Amino acid sequence: GQSLEQPSEVTAVEGAIVQINCTYQTSGFYGLSWYQQHDGGAPTFLSYNALDGLEETGRFSSFLSRSDSYGYLLLQELQMKDSASYFCAVSGADKLIFGTGTRLQVFP
Amino acid sequence: DVKVTQSSRYLVKRTGEKVFLECVQDMDHENMFWYRQDPGLGLRLIYFSYDVKMKEKGDIPEGYSVSREKKERFSLILESASTNQTSMYLCASSSGDGRDQETQYFGPGTRLLVL
Repeated sequence: GQSLEQPSEVTAVEGAIVQINCTYQTSGFYGLSWYQQHDGGAPTFLSYNALDGLEETGRFSSFLSRSDSYGYLLLQELQMKDSASYFCAVSGADKLIFGTGTRLQVFP
Repeated sequence: DVKVTQSSRYLVKRTGEKVFLECVQDMDHENMFWYRQDPGLGLRLIYFSYDVKMKEKGDIPEGYSVSREKKERFSLILESASTNQTSMYLCASSSGDGRDQETQYFGPGTRLLVL
């Protein structure tokens, strides 16, 4: 079977750094994606890692270790607008399997 | 910009009704997906399609069917709505090309209430 684990909730203050971890168990792994979803909104793509290592996109970075079946999303210089749910998703052939999401609350 | 639209933002139906949820994308994407999202359960894949008239079952297809007669349109059908199908339904599309297929573009969602 396939499963993903990520924390249900994380809190932090503005300007801080937060890391959201994701561990997975899956067959046919192609890569790990991250999506952001604000309350009432649609999920939007943030990043994708197919190879081990760190990928940086502005204030957000994503890391993958295929040997550990583990990845994380790193958010730096947190802003209030980063308060949202973050989903990791593993790519199998032709489809994504999503985790249950991590709700990030950023406080002033 | 990729645009994925869904026919309704909110829908209220009665138990036993046949329900159609429509999704249209304007980027000529090969792949289209239907998910439902429930609190604490994340996004669960109902059906997907990687070509016209093709469909594949996802993780929770029971009680649903789909139709893809045109490349840009993917319909989700609840043959006989039940209260446990009350949920947020999200449609998504992606390109069939290499790494780009990993990026799914989502519609705004349809919040369905079955009474």
